[in-house]
Amino acid sequence: GENVEQHPSTLSVQEGDSAVIKCTYSDSASNYFPWYKQELGKGPQLIIDIRSNVGEKKDQRIAVTLNKTAKHFSLHITETQPEDSAVYFCAARVNYGQNFVFGPGTRLSVLP
Amino acid sequence: GAGVSQSPSNKVTEKGKDVELRCDPISGHTALYWYRQSLGQGLEFLIYFQGNSAPDKSGLPSDRFSAERTGGSVSTLTIQRTQQEDSAVYLCASTKSPATDTQYFGPGTRLTVL
Repeated sequence: GENVEQHPSTLSVQEGDSAVIKCTYSDSASNYFPWYKQELGKGPQLIIDIRSNVGEKKDQRIAVTLNKTAKHFSLHITETQPEDSAVYFCAARVNYGQNFVFGPGTRLSVLP
Repeated sequence: GAGVSQSPSNKVTEKGKDVELRCDPISGHTALYWYRQSLGQGLEFLIYFQGNSAPDKSGLPSDRFSAERTGGSVSTLTIQRTQQEDSAVYLCASTKSPATDTQYFGPGTRLTVL
């Protein structure tokens, strides 16, 4: 079955700097890769996603890149702000109607 | 309601007791997922419901865990004879249909087994 690894487990950056979180997956058939942000005491919230037919997607300060050959995808946050501090999860899914496999999460701290 | 709701928000129980956790998905969403999140860990898939199809139970860790979804809407996750290792946050998510991807998560139920 699918296995998703995520690095780093914790990340601290200064406000205004960029943050990068990387994930690798094992099942080459996976075709959908969402990223979720989880704030303390809340459920995860989708922030950006990418499909296997696209190499990069950007939404304001957030971008995701996908390398299908290497089976890894990354989240990029630019101009970080204190409110970006949270736990970020990547996930992978093979087909519609199938379950998602999540990475273990990255705790991001943005220092003012 | 506007989002996925779960109840209770917190549940403390004694080892060996049964517990029921409830999830109300977004109205009209046909797919519903249950996940378990242990302290500081990622999300572990438990079970997936889609419409009237047989649920995907492949993630349930033992036969003490079961779930049902009545009328294609509300879902209940039941844990029988709870153990301390069952302590975790149980998250529910729904999607509009199997052809859409965005999962909307509830706030979770924090279960503590003493």
